[in-house]
Amino acid sequence: KQEVTQIPAALSVPEGENLVLNCSFTDSAIYNLQWFRQDPGKGLTSLLLIQSSQREQTSGRLNASLDKSSGRSTLYIAASQPGDSATYLCAVKGNSGNTPLVFGKGTRLSVIA
Amino acid sequence: NAGVTQTPKFRILKIGQSMTLQCTQDMNHNYMYWYRQDPGMGLKLIYYSVGAGITDKGEVPNGYNVSRSTTEDFPLRLELAAPSQTSVYFCASSYLGTYGYTFGSGTRLTVV
Repeated sequence: KQEVTQIPAALSVPEGENLVLNCSFTDSAIYNLQWFRQDPGKGLTSLLLIQSSQREQTSGRLNASLDKSSGRSTLYIAASQPGDSATYLCAVKGNSGNTPLVFGKGTRLSVIA
Repeated sequence: NAGVTQTPKFRILKIGQSMTLQCTQDMNHNYMYWYRQDPGMGLKLIYYSVGAGITDKGEVPNGYNVSRSTTEDFPLRLELAAPSQTSVYFCASSYLGTYGYTFGSGTRLTVV
């Protein structure tokens, strides 16, 4: 059974700092990995999707990397802003059949002005 | 383009009552999902569907039922609500299940 772990559970940084969020998964037979952002009381917004054949994806100040063989992904946020404060969720889709996304518990990020 | 629409946004139920959470998508996605999110516990899959007329259980299906009569709609039925079903419920859809997921804004349910 696939398990997804995100470390740390919470993180507080000063504005302007670069930061890395970590995601690990137990079964490397994945089809893709997706990073989401969730604001308090809101739904999930997709940030980046990395296919298993890719090593990284970039969108603006966000860069996500994938090392499938070691079961790890990182989300790098450059020059953090208070508006980046949210919970960031990592989710993986397995290779077999109709396997839905399996989520980590998320990292709650606070960027302090 | 509305994406995934969930109704209602909030609901309070008494123990033993029943209700249906509605979910509709206008992206012609064949795959649809119901997740619940409890504080600090991440999202857990309740049921999913790979197309009209086809549904399957996820990790936590007990106490819930689903149906998929059209591509657009995937309602989640709660029978005999229990306090353990207090949670935030999210509906999501995906094209072929292999592309990115689109989530609705959620339904916050409290059972008292």
